[in-house]
Amino acid sequence: DIVMTQSPDFLTVSPGERATINCRSSQSVLYTSNNKNYLAWYQQKPGQPPKLLIYWASTRESGVPDRFTGSGSGTDFTLTISSLQAEDVAVYYCQHYYSTPFTFGPGTKVEIK
Amino acid sequence: EVQLVQSGTDMKKPGATVRISCTVSEHPFTDYFIQWVRQAPGKGLEWMGLLNPEDGISINAEKFQDRLTLSADTSADTAYMDLHSLRSEDTAIYFCATSADLDSHFVSWGQGTLVAVSS
Repeated sequence: DIVMTQSPDFLTVSPGERATINCRSSQSVLYTSNNKNYLAWYQQKPGQPPKLLIYWASTRESGVPDRFTGSGSGTDFTLTISSLQAEDVAVYYCQHYYSTPFTFGPGTKVEIK
Repeated sequence: EVQLVQSGTDMKKPGATVRISCTVSEHPFTDYFIQWVRQAPGKGLEWMGLLNPEDGISINAEKFQDRLTLSADTSADTAYMDLHSLRSEDTAIYFCATSADLDSHFVSWGQGTLVAVSS
């Protein structure tokens, strides 16, 4: 099974500042046949289901603000929130969908300073 | 946008079976794979399995191999998750989600169903 790790566990950022979340997979999630990284990012707010933010590691889901950016390839990925807003307070999860089981990272909780 | 509506909170005793339904608003229902994910109280997300409603083929996480049954009623645009031999550690919120393909991101999610297992 592919193990997903995230860092940091918690992140406290001032409004308007940048937030950076890292995600690492225990093996590459890049399919060389189509050059796609099978990696997604989700945002989960309390009492709500997860919401898809980024897929194929760097494609922003429709309606997601452009302050959210996904990057990386192979085994190392990053979600960047360029200018943190109050409504971005949430837990962020990375997930691979390269092969079953489609494991999630443990999550990073983002709070406002 | 696809809407997924799940059945309500359920309370079960250890050893029982719980069935959760997930009704998809968009047609055709068979255009989507249905993914199942759970979240124990205060914990992270755990993938359980997936179902292709078109042919009924499912893939379960090894952890749930013998206890999880995924099915669908295409005439009702509804998927079902049956978890058997419940134990207290199965207490969690269970989510269904859709993906366009077997190996694809989870686009739309149900609201979640709380299952509480207690004697």
